[in-house]
Amino acid sequence: GAVVSQHPSRVICKSGTSVKIECRSLDFQATTMFWYRQFPKQSLMLMATSNEGSKATYEQGVEKDKFLINHASLTLSTLTVTSAHPEDSSFYICSAPSRGQGSDTQYFGPGTRLTVL
Amino acid sequence: KQEVTQIPAALSVPEGENLVLNCSFTDSAIYNLQWFRQDPGKGLTSLLLIQSSQREQTSGRLNASLDKSSGRSTLYIAASQPGDSATYLCAARDDKIIFGKGTRLHILP
Repeated sequence: GAVVSQHPSRVICKSGTSVKIECRSLDFQATTMFWYRQFPKQSLMLMATSNEGSKATYEQGVEKDKFLINHASLTLSTLTVTSAHPEDSSFYICSAPSRGQGSDTQYFGPGTRLTVL
Repeated sequence: KQEVTQIPAALSVPEGENLVLNCSFTDSAIYNLQWFRQDPGKGLTSLLLIQSSQREQTSGRLNASLDKSSGRSTLYIAASQPGDSATYLCAARDDKIIFGKGTRLHILP
C-alpha cells in the first residue's frame, strides 16, 4: 500500500533555532499534503494544507511566518518551524491523499516529535 | 464548520467483551470517514475507511458503520484483547480532515 515517510522522527533543539521536517510520499504523487499538530493528550489539529506549485493554506490561528511550508515536488512537502520556542514542542504529523479507483485514502506519516529546550 | 465528537472519552472493559465506540459529525456532506488507532507517542494507524456511499466496512474483529443522514459512525470491536488498548480517533473528510478528540480504550486482562 501507499507509504508516507517523515524525517526526522524525533528532534530536540534549542529555543530560537529553526527546525525542518520533511514529509514524503514514497510510491505515489500528492499534489496536496496536510500538516497536523498534536499536543499531549489532545486531538490532532490541522495546521495547514500544502499545495504543490502554490502557497500553503493555513488554518485560523496558525502563524504562516512561523510555520513555513514548501511543497517542493509531487512527493515532498517540508514544514519549517522558525525561531522555535518551548510551546512549539509537539508531535507533528503529515498526511497525503492517494487517489485511485475512485477512492481517496489519506496516508499518514509516522510523525515527528519536536522538543524545544 | 464541521465538528467531530467522540463518545466516550475513555473506556475500560474486561478482556473478551465486545464494545462500541461512537463518532458523530455535524456536517453530513463528507467524502469519507476514517477510524484510526494511536498508541502512546506514536503516529496514526488507519483501521477502516468508509466512503460516503458505503454503510460499513469490516476488517478482522473490527466493524465500522456510517450513517451520513444522522451524522454518526460507530466502531465495533469484537472479543477485545489487551493489545487493543490505545486511543481510537475518527476523522471526517470534506475539503479537510477533521478529527475527533478520541476515545482512550483500556482492555483489562
